[in-house]
Formats: sequence, C-alpha cells, structure tokens
Amino acid sequence: GEDVEQSLFLSVREGDSSVINCTYTDSSSTYLYWYKQEPGAGLQLLTYIFSNMDMKQDQRLTVLLNKKDKHLSLRIADTQTGDSAIYFCAESPYNQAGTALIFGKGTTLSVSS
Amino acid sequence: GAGVSQSPSNKVTEKGKDVELRCDPISGHTALYWYRQRLGQGLEFLIYFQGNSAPDKSGLPSDRFSAERTGESVSTLTIQRTQQEDSAVYLCASSLVGRAGGGDTQYFGPGTRLTVL
Repeated sequence: GEDVEQSLFLSVREGDSSVINCTYTDSSSTYLYWYKQEPGAGLQLLTYIFSNMDMKQDQRLTVLLNKKDKHLSLRIADTQTGDSAIYFCAESPYNQAGTALIFGKGTTLSVSS
Repeated sequence: GAGVSQSPSNKVTEKGKDVELRCDPISGHTALYWYRQRLGQGLEFLIYFQGNSAPDKSGLPSDRFSAERTGESVSTLTIQRTQQEDSAVYLCASSLVGRAGGGDTQYFGPGTRLTVL
C-alpha cells in the first residue's frame, strides 16, 4: 500500500536553513505537496511540485524532487521562529479517486532564537 | 465564503453517543474531502465527494461512519455509537474540480476536535 515517510523532528537555529525530507511510494503520483500546520490551525498549502520537475523555488522555499528515488525535500532558507510548525508531505496517486491525498505523519520543526 | 469552515470546533461526547460534524466548503468547489488526524499521526483519508455523490468511501473505518453532502455545498460526517478510538481531529477540505492525479489544490478547514470519553 501507499506510505509516505518523514522524519518526526527537526531543530534548527534562527537564520539557519532547514531541510525536511520525505519519501513516497507511488510512482504514479503526479503532484507532491508540502503543507504547514501551526498549533490549533488547519493545514496551509505551502507549495507543490509536478512530477516532471526537479526543483521549484518560491521565495524562501525550495522543493527538490528525485523521482527515481521517490524522494522529496523542502528547504527553508533563513528559518524564522514563525516557521515553527508541523510540515506534512503529501502525494496524490493517479489511481486515487479525485485528488485524495496521502500524507506523511509530519515533521515538527522547532526554531530557536 | 472566504475559506472552508467547520463546526463545531470542539466536541466532547460520551462513548456510545452519536455525533455530527459539519463542513462548509469554499463556494463553487465541487470536490469535498474528509480526513481524520489522530494525535501524532498524519492525515488519514476518509471519504471524497464529487458534487453530491461519493465515488470513494474506501477510507471510512467502519459502518458507524457515514457522510452526506447536499446541494453541492455543506457536508456532514456522522459517527454513530462513538468509541474512544474515534477521538481525533476531523478535517475537511475542498477543491475546485477534484481532478484525478492531483494539480487541484485542496484547501483545508480548521478541523473539529472530537473527544470521546
């Protein structure tokens, strides 16, 4: 079955870069997503990447995709305390009805000043 | 509306009681999704609506769970005879067309935190 794996915790200092890694299993997934969840809040879409791309950059965020290894990463440059949250990787397998997403368990990013 | 809304935000119930959770999607979004997030876990897909029909109910954990959607708008998720393992945050999302294979952004509501005592 499908499974999305992420490391559970990451701790960085303010101003450093954060890299959150994810592996997914379904090669039919055409889109891969990163969502952010702050305490008590719903999920906020950060960015997504189409499977024919290797990299996508959006301001402080860089997404790298290695389709051969089914590995996805999210790099946050100049990490700020406001970036502290849980980050979820998600895939959208083509054979799923609609666009139901399969999520990892989330990586808790802790940013210290 | 401006975003996906859900009610109630918190629900505490006793084991064995029925609960109804409500989701108001973004106006004009034809696809609606329910997910469950248990403590420390990722999101678990429950059910998907395309318009008022539910082509994929595969994620519903048991026959105690049901959902409906009326008028291509509001959806309710009903849990009958609640059990303690049903305690979780129930998240609703909507997207414009629900196109298979992705590329159709899902917007999430703030969730309903259900606690079954």
